[in-house]
Amino acid sequence: QLVLTQSPSASASLGASVKLTCTLSSGHSRYPIAWYQQQPDKGPRYLMKVNRDGSHTMGDGIPDRFSGSSSGAERYLIISSLQSEDEGDYYCQTWGTDIPAVFGGGTQLTVL
Amino acid sequence: EVQLVESGGGLVQPGGSLRLSCAASGFTFNNYSMNWVRQAPGRGLEWVSKISSGSDDTFYADSVKGRFTISRDNAQNSLYLQMTSLRDGDTAFYYCARGRLTARRHDAFDVWGQGTVVAVYS
Repeated sequence: QLVLTQSPSASASLGASVKLTCTLSSGHSRYPIAWYQQQPDKGPRYLMKVNRDGSHTMGDGIPDRFSGSSSGAERYLIISSLQSEDEGDYYCQTWGTDIPAVFGGGTQLTVL
Repeated sequence: EVQLVESGGGLVQPGGSLRLSCAASGFTFNNYSMNWVRQAPGRGLEWVSKISSGSDDTFYADSVKGRFTISRDNAQNSLYLQMTSLRDGDTAFYYCARGRLTARRHDAFDVWGQGTVVAVYS
């Protein structure tokens, strides 16, 4: 079964960097994923697509403080120079040939 | 400006029906697959349904299969979700989302609306 696992919460200081992790279920380590940001009381925003080799395709207008990488079944979202507006929920999503979309449970990021 | 604007949400009793709409602008609507994604209060995102660019293929989450119907009108740049036999568990914000332009069957969602709320209450 195709499942994405995310830590429920993360925190980092203003101006620091943070690395969020999304883990693909066993047997699905080659799947690409997408990252989304959801600020409080807003709709989700597409950040990027991260492939199994770590290459990533950014969404329009996304600052270069956001980047992605990959290692095995893990896909990462790295945010550098954290700003207060980066606080919110971050979701990963993947898909398969016959599965249009599966979302992870989300990580709530707090900027200290 | 690329934009998706949902409408049609509201309060409905269990067993009732509701039709959501999503108005698209700023891009060539008939080139893109479209999706509905929902978010229950305090919960994460749940994909609901997808329709291909030409309406040839439709897909549904098991939780809504047989109760919800996705459709689109490319001439009107509009996406719809007809919801019937509504249950308490369908209470959520409903977002429409554009599928990335890709040769693959499925991909990420690169544009999202602000959502419309559906509340099922007895």
